[in-house]
Amino acid sequence: QVQLVQSGAEVKKPGASVKVSCKASGYTFTSYGISWVRQAPGQGLEWMGWINPDNDYTNYAQNLQGRVTMTTDTSTTTAYMEVRSLRSDDTAVYYCARDFGSTSCDYWGQGTLVTVSS
Amino acid sequence: QSVLTQPPSVSAAPGQKVTISCSGSTSNIGNNFVSWYQQLPGTAPKLLIYENYKRPSGIPDRFSGSKSGTSATLGITGLQTGDEADYYCGTWDSSLSAAVFGGGTQLTVL
Repeated sequence: QVQLVQSGAEVKKPGASVKVSCKASGYTFTSYGISWVRQAPGQGLEWMGWINPDNDYTNYAQNLQGRVTMTTDTSTTTAYMEVRSLRSDDTAVYYCARDFGSTSCDYWGQGTLVTVSS
Repeated sequence: QSVLTQPPSVSAAPGQKVTISCSGSTSNIGNNFVSWYQQLPGTAPKLLIYENYKRPSGIPDRFSGSKSGTSATLGITGLQTGDEADYYCGTWDSSLSAAVFGGGTQLTVL
């Protein structure tokens, strides 16, 4: 069965970096994109970007350009998302999701809470 | 402010039908497929509808999707208390070169 399992919660200070992992299993990793979506407390969904594990092509949301990097390791079928220069408004649950096209994500990770606080 | 506009909340009685609207523009809904997601409290979103009206395997036909021009609609019939959740529409925005979501609609089954 398809599963996306994310790394655990993180607490970071402003200005630090965080890297969240997303271990995929149950399907051919390079056949689907991985989207990253975050959700601030009590807020809606925000698309962060997308990566194609087959060729590492990425597309980032404009407001995160320069602060976010998405990568994959096909040998371990794991996707990674790093955010640098963290601010308090980066506090959110971060989700990875399998993207099969047309911005449709059919399997999601359990979410990773990242708290940015001094 | 979200690029896609949804009503903040809707409500209906058990067994009834409800619709949730999602309004956009020609750069997003008007020229791209729409997806709908259900998010139960404390859980990850779940795909309900993709490519405007298609249902993934396992999604009951009580859930339906449609699109007309720059708006899309999610319909839910035979409402159950278990349907209480937040619902989000999403699509690609060609002008922003980004995926966009609506602000979400909280469904209450009275």
